[in-house]
Amino acid sequence: DQQVKQNSPSLSVQEGRISILNCDYTNSMFDYFLWYKKYPAEGPTFLISISSIKDKNEDGRFTVFLNKSAKHLSLHIVPSQPGDSAVYFCAASDFSGNTPLVFGKGTRLSVIA
Amino acid sequence: DSGVTQTPKHLITATGQRVTLRCSPRSGDLSVYWYQQSLDQGLQFLIQYYNGEERAKGNILERFSAQQFPDLHSELNLSSLELGDSALYFCASSREFTSGRDTQYFGPGTRLTVL
Repeated sequence: DQQVKQNSPSLSVQEGRISILNCDYTNSMFDYFLWYKKYPAEGPTFLISISSIKDKNEDGRFTVFLNKSAKHLSLHIVPSQPGDSAVYFCAASDFSGNTPLVFGKGTRLSVIA
Repeated sequence: DSGVTQTPKHLITATGQRVTLRCSPRSGDLSVYWYQQSLDQGLQFLIQYYNGEERAKGNILERFSAQQFPDLHSELNLSSLELGDSALYFCASSREFTSGRDTQYFGPGTRLTVL
């Protein structure tokens, strides 16, 4: 049973437009969420995180929104750049921080120039 | 460059064989994590070590084992290999032991192909 779901395997966006990547979770114990970005032949790299006490966290062009009631989070990239083309993984953990991260299957973002 | 190194980058072997994957964490990091990424799957957590001790265990098969040495490098041993074990194996490291909160830094992965 997948506890973290990224239902869109891929997404194409034009350069300069907004990219919105979505993630749903089922475990109500999750209260800390992260996004990782992965380029081919490299390991994932941490991008941005959000705690459940917030509903938004912003870092430059990247903003993560959290809707706890819907158990949904999204990553917005504005404006999208060709260098953003990568696979994006959503991950979650519970409040204790002691259980391992649970990752989604990832969404492949292609930013077209 | 995350500072986490993994060797080898690629490994091709036959069913029934045994292999060892190696990981060196970032300088100063005490936790090491192992993940498996099969085709079209997310990262599946296998096991975590903190300062030489097993800290958390995921869906790791009994045929797989790991250890973390005094110099903090870690090895993942995969035995009696099956075709389904073909995957990317990632190692990650972090400063502390709270895997859910601590930023994890990933190595480039080892691609294992079992023929």
